[in-house]
Amino acid sequence: GAVVSQHPSRVICKSGTSVKIECRSLDFQATTMFWYRQFPKKSLMLMATSNEGSKATYEQGVEKDKFLINHASLTLSTLTVTSAHPEDSSFYICSAGQTVNTEAFFGQGTRLTVV
Amino acid sequence: AQSVTQPDIHITVSEGASLELRCNYSYGATPYLFWYVQSPGQGLQLLLKYFSGDTLVQGIKGFEAEFKRSQSSFNLRKPSVHWSDAAEYFCAVGAEVLTGGGNKLTFGTGTQLKVEL
Repeated sequence: GAVVSQHPSRVICKSGTSVKIECRSLDFQATTMFWYRQFPKKSLMLMATSNEGSKATYEQGVEKDKFLINHASLTLSTLTVTSAHPEDSSFYICSAGQTVNTEAFFGQGTRLTVV
Repeated sequence: AQSVTQPDIHITVSEGASLELRCNYSYGATPYLFWYVQSPGQGLQLLLKYFSGDTLVQGIKGFEAEFKRSQSSFNLRKPSVHWSDAAEYFCAVGAEVLTGGGNKLTFGTGTQLKVEL
C-alpha cells in the first residue's frame, strides 16, 4: 500500500515551453501533497504544499506564477513549470499524505532538463 | 523554523565495518524525524522514522537510529555495512500541517556514503 506514482520520470524540453509533472496516489486518498526540488548534488527543498481543492501554499522564494500547482482531486496533483529555462533543470519529487501528522509517501521523482 | 544539520558530507567505511551517520535537528516541538536513502538518479527510500515512543527505532536493511532529545540528535547506525549501502543519506525533520495529511519535511544536506571492498 501507500504507493505514489510520478510521471514522467524524465523529460527534456526546449527553453520557453511548459512542462507538466503528475503526482498520483494509487491506493489512498491524499489530502495533502508536497512538491520538492533537488539541485544536482544538493539537498531537497520544499517548494509548496497543496491541499485538495485549495490553492497551494508556496515556500518563500518560490515563484508561484512559474511553478503552477493544481491539486484537483484526492489522488492527483500536478506541477507545471511554465516558460522553462535551463536554470529550472532539476529533480522534482512529490510526496503525498493522507492522515494528519503521519508520514507522507514519496514518488519516484522527475528529472527535468531544459535545453 | 526547523533545521537539520548533517555534519559529515562524505564518509568512507570498509565493508563489514560499523557505521554511524550524524544528524542534529532544531525544532520547537516534539519532532517527527526521518532517515531516507537515495541512490544516484533515484527517488527517496524511507529507512526509518520516529514519531513517538521508544527512542531506539529499527528500520529496513538493518539500520537503526536513536532519538536523543537532550542532544537534539537522531543518528543513524548499522553494525555491518554492505557494499550495496553506498548511497546518499538524508536526515529530515517533519513539521505538522494544520490541515490535511502527512508533514512537510526539512532535509539535511545529506551524507554521501562510500563503501570500500
